[in-house]
Amino acid sequence: GQNIDQPTEMTATEGAIVQINCTYQTSGFNGLFWYQQHAGEAPTFLSYNVLDGLEEKGRFSSFLSRSKGYSYLLLKELQMKDSASYLCAVSGDDKIIFGKGTRLHILP
Amino acid sequence: GAVVSQHPSRVICKSGTSVKIECRSLDFQATTMFWYRQFPKQSLMLMATSNEGSKATYEQGVEKDKFLINHASLTLSTLTVTSAHPEDSSFYICSPLVGYGYTFGSGTRLTVV
Repeated sequence: GQNIDQPTEMTATEGAIVQINCTYQTSGFNGLFWYQQHAGEAPTFLSYNVLDGLEEKGRFSSFLSRSKGYSYLLLKELQMKDSASYLCAVSGDDKIIFGKGTRLHILP
Repeated sequence: GAVVSQHPSRVICKSGTSVKIECRSLDFQATTMFWYRQFPKQSLMLMATSNEGSKATYEQGVEKDKFLINHASLTLSTLTVTSAHPEDSSFYICSPLVGYGYTFGSGTRLTVV
């Protein structure tokens, strides 16, 4: 079967760092995505990892370990606008499967 | 590049009526289109995959006669919710395959009353 697990909710403080973990078990693996989704809006692309290692893009970084079926999204210098849901998604077997998302709450 | 236009953004319809949702790729050709549904506080669930010029492939549990998908051209795919019921109220999002598939339409909030 296919399964993607990530925490349901997390809370962090403005200016801090937060790491959102994602573990997956899927049939086929072509890459792992992270998306940001604000309430009532469509997801927006954050990152795409194909190979093991860390991909850094500004305040956001994403890590992948294919052997462990594990990824994380690291958000630095948190801002209030980062309050959103963060979706982990795996591309495999001609379609993308999404995790249930992690709702991140930022406290001032 | 890879701009997707989805309409309408919001629609309210009466139970038993049909609603058509359009998804247009404005600056590229989309051979494959994914249609997702998202209920409140849940993640995106893939409903079906359509390829231009052929019948859509539906995920298990999705009624193909209720959710009609047409992908007659490389720039337009439509999802029609037929005989809509309140339980069909949801957020519907299209996602064309572009490279490794990272773009989405803006979504359609369907409310069936």
